[in-house]
Amino acid sequence: DSGVTQTPKHLITATGQRVTLRCSPRSGDLSVYWYQQSLDQGLQFLIQYYNGEERAKGNILERFSAQQFPDLHSELNLSSLELGDSALYFCASSPTLRDNEQFFGPGTRLTVL
Amino acid sequence: GENVGLHLPTLSVQEGDNSIINCAYSNSASDYFIWYKQESGKGPQFIIDIRSNMDKRQGQRVTVLLNKTVKHLSLQIAATQPGDSAVYFCAENSKNRDDKIIFGKGTRLHILP
Repeated sequence: DSGVTQTPKHLITATGQRVTLRCSPRSGDLSVYWYQQSLDQGLQFLIQYYNGEERAKGNILERFSAQQFPDLHSELNLSSLELGDSALYFCASSPTLRDNEQFFGPGTRLTVL
Repeated sequence: GENVGLHLPTLSVQEGDNSIINCAYSNSASDYFIWYKQESGKGPQFIIDIRSNMDKRQGQRVTVLLNKTVKHLSLQIAATQPGDSAVYFCAENSKNRDDKIIFGKGTRLHILP
C-alpha cells in the first residue's frame, strides 16, 4: 500500500459526459501528479501540482483539467469524453517538487462507451 | 526528438536466474534515469534511480547500469523470484523538462517455474 488513495476504482460512462477523479496523496506529500495509462500509449504524464499550484504540464488535453485543494487532495476533471479517453488514470504523490520516487495510487479505470 | 524506449516488450526468465531488462534513451540532457515496476492491477512502484554522472548503482537484488556512450540503460535483477513478475518501465528526468518524468513503454517480465 503506497498510502495514495484514488476514487472511484472503476468508472463507466458515455461519450460526451464529464467525470471527476479524486486523489488523496500520502500524508505530508506536497506534489501530486496525474498520469494516463493506455495500452498503446504507455504511461503518459498529464499534470503536476505542488502545494496547490500547477507546476508542470504534459500532454494534457484541453478537455481535461485538474486542481489541488488546500488540504492537498487533487481532482482530475475529464469532459466531453471520447472513446479514446478510456484508460487507467493514476495519481502519484511525492514529498517535494522534484522527486524521482513517486508513490502511485491504485488507479481509476475509466471506460467510455 | 526525445524518446525513452525498451528493446524487448516481453522477457521470460527461469526462476533463480538473473534478469536483464534493457532500455535505450535519446535525451543526452537527462539528469536521472529511473526504473519502476508495475505488478498486475497495481500502480507503478519505484525501484531505483541513477544519476547521469554515474555508471552503476546497486540496490537490494537490483543493479542499474548506465552507458552514456551508447545511451543505454539496464536493470539487472539477481536470483529472479516469482514476485518479480511485472512490467518494468525505464524513465528519465531532466531539469530542462520542468521536472516531468518521461516513462518508456515497458517490458513484461515472465518468471518460468
